[in-house]
Amino acid sequence: EPEVTQTPSHQVTQMGQEVILRCVPISNHLYFYWYRQILGQKVEFLVSFYNNEISEKSEIFDDQFSVERPDGSNFTLKIRSTKLEDSAMYFCASSPRGGARTDTQYFGPGTRLTVL
Amino acid sequence: AQSVAQPEDQVNVAEGNPLTVKCTYSVSGNPYLFWYVQYPNRGLQFLLKYITGDNLVKGSYGFEAEFNKSQTSFHLKKPSALVSDSALYFCAVRDSLGSSNTGKLIFGQGTTLQVKP
Repeated sequence: EPEVTQTPSHQVTQMGQEVILRCVPISNHLYFYWYRQILGQKVEFLVSFYNNEISEKSEIFDDQFSVERPDGSNFTLKIRSTKLEDSAMYFCASSPRGGARTDTQYFGPGTRLTVL
Repeated sequence: AQSVAQPEDQVNVAEGNPLTVKCTYSVSGNPYLFWYVQYPNRGLQFLLKYITGDNLVKGSYGFEAEFNKSQTSFHLKKPSALVSDSALYFCAVRDSLGSSNTGKLIFGQGTTLQVKP
């Protein structure tokens, strides 16, 4: 069964450093998402991406964040200058259509980002 | 504002007994509701969803959920719990107010299910 994959599983970085989190969505899916979960808190939406552009972003997704689909398979989240409060589990998700509100989003296993 | 609430941080049940994990929602328009499960060191796995039609939705691993419009609830149930069902369960609703049509998910805070042998 196709799955969303994410690398690395755990990333430790120093405050102010840039990090890139990588995701490989399910191959025939068209919509891609990033969510994050700070320890002990809810899973929060960050951004959605379709047709090589951002469809929607949350207030969390400020200028320090960017997303890219550099090739036909990868979907990346970049944090330019990490802050302590960026420490969280980051989940990538994809869905076949996304525009249909009935569509299911399928999640990857997550990347745990620790900012020291 | 749209929201999802899971009133219980943890639910404890004995193996073989029925289980219920509660979820209530607040949305404008038709609710599209989802349940996900998260096992340790794994991602969120889709269990089931309610879109329209029958209020009782059946999903993976023997789980089902009952949609109740008057009570704005979507409780997750299973007739006979297994120790292997122990995990973190998330209820979510699809955003119906966003400016785009990508319909982000709005999650509850999660409920830890502990099934004891």
